[in-house]
Amino acid sequence: DQQVKQNSPSLSVQEGRISILNCDYTNSMFDYFLWYKKYPAEGPTFLISISSIKDKNEDGRFTVFLNKSAKHLSLHIVPSQPGDSAVYFCAASAGEKAAGNKLTFGGGTRVLVKP
Amino acid sequence: KAGVTQTPRYLIKTRGQQVTLSCSPISGHRSVSWYQQTPGQGLQFLFEYFSETQRNKGNFPGRFSGRQFSNSRSEMNVSTLELGDSALYLCASSLGTAYLEQYFGPGTRLTVT
Repeated sequence: DQQVKQNSPSLSVQEGRISILNCDYTNSMFDYFLWYKKYPAEGPTFLISISSIKDKNEDGRFTVFLNKSAKHLSLHIVPSQPGDSAVYFCAASAGEKAAGNKLTFGGGTRVLVKP
Repeated sequence: KAGVTQTPRYLIKTRGQQVTLSCSPISGHRSVSWYQQTPGQGLQFLFEYFSETQRNKGNFPGRFSGRQFSNSRSEMNVSTLELGDSALYLCASSLGTAYLEQYFGPGTRLTVT
């Protein structure tokens, strides 16, 4: 039972263009969402997060959008740079509704930014 | 500030053996979580410790256990290793309250032969 899904396993984009990564979730208890970037042989690096009281959060080139009614979030990277080539994971947490800081991860989307 | 450190980085064990992995969180962080990453199952939550108490546990068999010390450092142990335990084991730390990001270490690559 995959509670967090990233339906696109890979994405290829030209340098300078927008990368849009999508994530869907099924558990209505989730109220805090995070995006992580991962290079091979390294741990995930935190990118940006959003709580369910917001529908948008921006940090530099990264913007996350949350549509609670559709149980969908997306990450926009503008402009995309070759160094953005990595695997991106969407993660969700039930926050205060659950004990602890358990994160449930999606399967990841591999992004390739072509120069 | 130093990041999350994990030791060892690489480990090769034989089926039936046991293994202990170590994680040192970011200074001041009281929560340590462990995750397993495999090609087939992705990133899966193992357990979380906060102030030396297990606060949450994932769906893993009892062969997987952990503990946290008073300085917030954590260890996880896997007994009676199986081939399927081959994975990247990641540790993450956070301040401990909800709605805060977790910071990951580089992981320990465990290979069971």
